[in-house]
Amino acid sequence: QVQLKESGPGLVKPSETLSLTCTVSGFSLTSYHVSWVRQPPGKGLEWMGVIWGDGSTAYNSALKSRLSISRDTSKSQVFLKMSSLKTEDTATYYCAGILRYWGQGVMVTVSS
Amino acid sequence: DVVLTQTPPTLSATIGQSVSISCRSSQSLLHSNGNTYLNWLLQRPGQPPQLLIYLVSRLESGVPNRFSGSGSGTDFTLKISGVEAEDLGVYYCVQSTHAPWTFGGGTKLELK
Repeated sequence: QVQLKESGPGLVKPSETLSLTCTVSGFSLTSYHVSWVRQPPGKGLEWMGVIWGDGSTAYNSALKSRLSISRDTSKSQVFLKMSSLKTEDTATYYCAGILRYWGQGVMVTVSS
Repeated sequence: DVVLTQTPPTLSATIGQSVSISCRSSQSLLHSNGNTYLNWLLQRPGQPPQLLIYLVSRLESGVPNRFSGSGSGTDFTLKISGVEAEDLGVYYCVQSTHAPWTFGGGTKLELK
């Protein structure tokens, strides 16, 4: 059974860096891609980026300068780091395996 | 970046009614490998998205066959043949042919 679970701080201050972890089970990170998708309250889905099975990455053009996605295959974990946070980065952050398997999401509020 | 335009933004339907959602792309989603990576997701209230359709018309395992996808190039359609109460929520198209991937703005299906 495939499971993905996001974890990280619920509250981050403006200008700080957000670090999230997606822990995966039943799913090979070296075989399949994992994306990060976010959703501001009451709004639509925004694709943030992907890490492919070979470890290469691609990012949303608007977030590229602030965003980094990496992984630790030995721990079956995918990481998201986004710097220079703004209040408009307040959202629920999801990780998704091949868009088929989704975590429940983690709500992140950016506020001082 | 590819822009996906979904219409209508809101759809009111009665139980048993058949409905269609359009997703139009700003450029062809045909990949050089011959596949078209256009997917449809449903997000029920308070839930993460779930994959309904991938590669334009392939039904995800466990998804009822009242859902169907069609289209090619830049024009795609999701059809629900006989809406049921559990189908209510927001539908998104998402393309993964071109990096960065992009989502449509969503179509909210509600009961009339």
